[in-house]
Amino acid sequence: DIQMTQSPSSLSASVGDRVTITCRASQSISTYLNWYQQKPGKAPRLLIFGASSLQTGVPSRFSGSGSGTDFTLTISNLHPEDSATYYCQQGYNVPPITFGQGTRLDIK
Amino acid sequence: QVQLIESGGGVVQPGGSLRLSCAASGFIFNNNGMHWVRQAPGRGLEWVAVASHDGNYQYYLDSVKGRFIVSRDNSKNTLHLQMNSLRPEDTAVYYCAKDYCDGDCYYGFDYWGQGILVTVSS
Repeated sequence: DIQMTQSPSSLSASVGDRVTITCRASQSISTYLNWYQQKPGKAPRLLIFGASSLQTGVPSRFSGSGSGTDFTLTISNLHPEDSATYYCQQGYNVPPITFGQGTRLDIK
Repeated sequence: QVQLIESGGGVVQPGGSLRLSCAASGFIFNNNGMHWVRQAPGRGLEWVAVASHDGNYQYYLDSVKGRFIVSRDNSKNTLHLQMNSLRPEDTAVYYCAKDYCDGDCYYGFDYWGQGILVTVSS
């Protein structure tokens, strides 16, 4: 199974800041990498698919990059509503589909 | 608009059974694989199972193989998860999720249900 490792596990930032979350796969997954946002008590929401494609309706301050084993999610100009937990997920070697452990983002 | 609505959750004793259902609408149901993903209290996301778009193939997380059965009824736009021999570690919110890939491929999830809680406890 492909292991997905996110860092950091948590971070705190201010409104207007830019933050970067990284995700590393235990083997190459090309660009079969997706990012999700989850707020407490809610279902996850797809933000980025195929490593860098923005899902319809997602603000352009969210962006993704990377290929192979190393990926990043960048959120520019942080808004208060970006406070959430973010997960990466690989869809390259399935089954199983696997997720990172999550990164909790707090907005000061 | 796409809607996925889960039902069938609740409290069950260890060793018991439960059947979850997911009613889908707003898209061509038999175009896409359909998944179950779970989240234990305070924990991360864990993929559980997928039924292929035509229902001919099913794949499972190792820890649920032989205990859970995923199925779909494309005539009723419904996905099911039959959970047998339940364990306390199966306690979680279970989400139904649609794959964004059309056909025989499984890449990720573009729509999710609201989730339903399954509690395995004596």
